[in-house]
Amino acid sequence: AQSVTQLDSHVSVSEGTPVLLRCNYSSSYSPSLFWYVQHPNKGLQLLLKYTSAATLVKGINGFEAEFKKSETSFHLTKPSAHMSDAAEYFCVVSPHTNAGKSTFGDGTTLTVKP
Amino acid sequence: DTGVSQNPRHKITKRGQNVTFRCDPISEHNRLYWYRQTLGQGPEFLTYFQNEAQLEKSRLLSDRFSAERPKGSFSTLEIQRTEQGDSAMYLCASSFFPTGRGEKLFFGSGTQLSVL
Repeated sequence: AQSVTQLDSHVSVSEGTPVLLRCNYSSSYSPSLFWYVQHPNKGLQLLLKYTSAATLVKGINGFEAEFKKSETSFHLTKPSAHMSDAAEYFCVVSPHTNAGKSTFGDGTTLTVKP
Repeated sequence: DTGVSQNPRHKITKRGQNVTFRCDPISEHNRLYWYRQTLGQGPEFLTYFQNEAQLEKSRLLSDRFSAERPKGSFSTLEIQRTEQGDSAMYLCASSFFPTGRGEKLFFGSGTQLSVL
């Protein structure tokens, strides 16, 4: 069994300030963890993934996430927000080799103010 | 690489009508997934294919839903006798398997279905 909880449905930051999107997960096995981003009228795009190698994962567009097993968390961060980061972000937990059994969080809407 | 293509982008239909959506995956990808996404929620898995074989179906996929991938390339998702509760965004994703740990999905832009 697995589940994922995105702790904030909406996050608002000012341009140039840090971004923190929080994700907790539960899993009965050692999972893969992902963050996807969805811009309006666009498909979901992979930001980064964790697959049991390095616990700090770097992704595209300056995003990174840290896997903390003791806290069952996989929070997404970025040092400095850009206007183009405004989008919906999804945290995903999945078995290593079957994306069909992926569980998506309900998403966090990131707003970036000028 | 032209990405995953879905058609139509929007579909408005009356309750009780049948609708069909098409997904063209990235050409070298052997796996194809269908998801459903409603407002304020993350995508929910419906079914997936490896080549032309449908390997798994979610219990969300009632008998009014059918998906095919006859030649292991494009796929269609048909909903018969649509109901208002079918209104959602239907997403298609593809991947190349196996790729080691952590299967990466490439998503299309989706088909937004509105059932009146």
